[in-house]
Amino acid sequence: TQLLEQSPQFLSIQEGENLTVYCNSSSVFSSLQWYRQEPGEGPVLLVTVVTGGEVKKLKRLTFQFGDARKDSSLHITAAQTGDTGLYLCAGSGSSNTGKLIFGQGTTLQVKP
Amino acid sequence: GAGVSQTPSNKVTEKGKYVELRCDPISGHTALYWYRQSLGQGPEFLIYFQGTGAADDSGLPNDRFFAVRPEGSVSTLKIQRTERGDSAVYLCASSPTGNNYGYTFGSGTRLTVV
Repeated sequence: TQLLEQSPQFLSIQEGENLTVYCNSSSVFSSLQWYRQEPGEGPVLLVTVVTGGEVKKLKRLTFQFGDARKDSSLHITAAQTGDTGLYLCAGSGSSNTGKLIFGQGTTLQVKP
Repeated sequence: GAGVSQTPSNKVTEKGKYVELRCDPISGHTALYWYRQSLGQGPEFLIYFQGTGAADDSGLPNDRFFAVRPEGSVSTLKIQRTERGDSAVYLCASSPTGNNYGYTFGSGTRLTVV
């Protein structure tokens, strides 16, 4: 069974601070996605990483896929209150059906 | 439509009752997925449709859960003899093809079984 462990599960920081969220597994994933979810809404896709070692940037967000494609990280620089939300990583396995395996999420609270 | 539409947004039902949850995917998306999200957890896969057929139903927890997509567009998730443990947010997603690119989620249906 493929599992994804996210850490930390909860993070409360001040505006302007930097943070990193980790997503780890003992299994290899063909690709990995990061989503952001706000209360009462569905997850919204931020990025998909496919190649081991790949780094993608989305404004102040930097995403990295591990060399072995078993782990990923999300780094936010100079967090803003608008970054508050639930961050989810999700991996696609080898079945190629598009089925995603989600981590349990990291709740980020950015205080003004 | 412009996005994935799920109805109702909230459903409260009594234990033992039957419920239907509807998902209207993005027009032209052939792949449709159902997930269930419990409080404080990530979404958990239930079932995947490619067109009209269920290509992977390995996530359905038991035979009380069933889903259909008769015309390859709208899908209905059906839960018989609901239990309090079925309370969760049920999310639907669609994508253009059967891989995980271009996933778009709906806002979900919050089901509460009392």
